[in-house]
Amino acid sequence: DAKTTQPTSMDCAEGRAANLPCNHSTISGNEYVYWYRQIHSQGPQYIIHGLKNNETNEMASLIITEDRKSSTLILPHATLRDTAVYYCIVRVGSNYKLTFGKGTLLTVNP
Amino acid sequence: GAVVSQHPSWVICKSGTSVKIECRSLDFQATTMFWYRQFPKQSLMLMATSNEGSKATYEQGVEKDKFLINHASLTLSTLTVTSAHPEDSSFYICSAGGTGNQPQHFGDGTRLSIL
Repeated sequence: DAKTTQPTSMDCAEGRAANLPCNHSTISGNEYVYWYRQIHSQGPQYIIHGLKNNETNEMASLIITEDRKSSTLILPHATLRDTAVYYCIVRVGSNYKLTFGKGTLLTVNP
Repeated sequence: GAVVSQHPSWVICKSGTSVKIECRSLDFQATTMFWYRQFPKQSLMLMATSNEGSKATYEQGVEKDKFLINHASLTLSTLTVTSAHPEDSSFYICSAGGTGNQPQHFGDGTRLSIL
């Protein structure tokens, strides 16, 4: 699976949009981009995934660049409960393993 | 949505005992489940892939005789930490699902403390 690079930490004001970047410059054509988050002392929570089109669900939006070498997870209105470590992972659909990097610690401030 | 249940949430036991952790897929069948371990302030590390009806596949460096995995049904995988020692204290997390391009879903984890 391709490696990903994320900033170590980010801050965001409550109520504002949180934009979390991820670089995956070696992504291959059949690899999907997945985003998970982990709140302290809990298991990771699935957020969203995509291949090449932008995706949106009730939790977030995923913007993937045209060359697919990077993506951005957008939390439109961050709340204090969104404080967590966010992981960007690329995975080939037929390869079930998930390889977790260090992720981005997002801190939402009041 | 898909739910994965993990039990127990936490366990404290004496050194030398064995501990069993259960992972259940509640509303779907999972031929493959995964076991991860997470030490404080570190990321999740895959320990093994649990395959229904066959032997588990262990990652390099993980002792298969110490971490016994059984996946006897399509909704249940168990991880048994045998002869646990303080260095086995960690946060153990299972996941299931993920066929095709669908996401894996994770349990809430088991915090294991060996005294």
